[in-house]
Amino acid sequence: NAGVTQTPKFQVLKTGQSMTLQCAQDMNHNSMYWYRQDPGMGLRLIYYSASEGTTDKGEVPNGYNVSRLNKREFSLRLESAAPSQTSVYFCASNPGGGGLYGYTFGSGTRLTVV
Amino acid sequence: GQQLNQSPQSMFIQEGEDVSMNCTSSSIFNTWLWYKQDPGEGPVLLIALYKAGELTSNGRLTAQFGITRKDSFLNISASIPSDVGIYFCAHMNYGGSQGNLIFGKGTKLSVKP
Repeated sequence: NAGVTQTPKFQVLKTGQSMTLQCAQDMNHNSMYWYRQDPGMGLRLIYYSASEGTTDKGEVPNGYNVSRLNKREFSLRLESAAPSQTSVYFCASNPGGGGLYGYTFGSGTRLTVV
Repeated sequence: GQQLNQSPQSMFIQEGEDVSMNCTSSSIFNTWLWYKQDPGEGPVLLIALYKAGELTSNGRLTAQFGITRKDSFLNISASIPSDVGIYFCAHMNYGGSQGNLIFGKGTKLSVKP
């Protein structure tokens, strides 16, 4: 089925380790997003990419980097993981141009930093 | 920044009951969106509202865009067990080069034991 695919689904890291969360969409969407979800906090935007070749900071970008590898793929990197980055991470995409109906979310990556 | 206040934070439902939740803000918005998140999944769009006073239904769900443009309501009629999950309100933030979604903290619906 068409949609947004995130890998891995689960990950445990030690403090200071690095890792990259992968996201790919097969809907030919222009815009892609990374959110984090913490209990009682809703979803907060980390970074987004309005189109291939551009990235912008969201509400909580500190400690993260992103790469829009091509139109399909948008990765999120933690260079030196901290316990405060324990969270569920969601990738989303939409056609762009303010397309409200087109936000499609992946099923999430559950990250624990010990 | 723009904050969305959702209430209640959580509620327990019994099958067949009607459910109401709302979202408020100190800022005026041009859109209100309601999403549902099932356990272990990402959010899915339920209803989108585009103008003040608009009332839109999607099956047993009805949402309204408040006249003041600072609030929105979501009602679920005759609830069923699969209604459990977290419901989020959201609006589009058009700052910067591209609109992105700003979410409330969610209302968690659970089944009464």
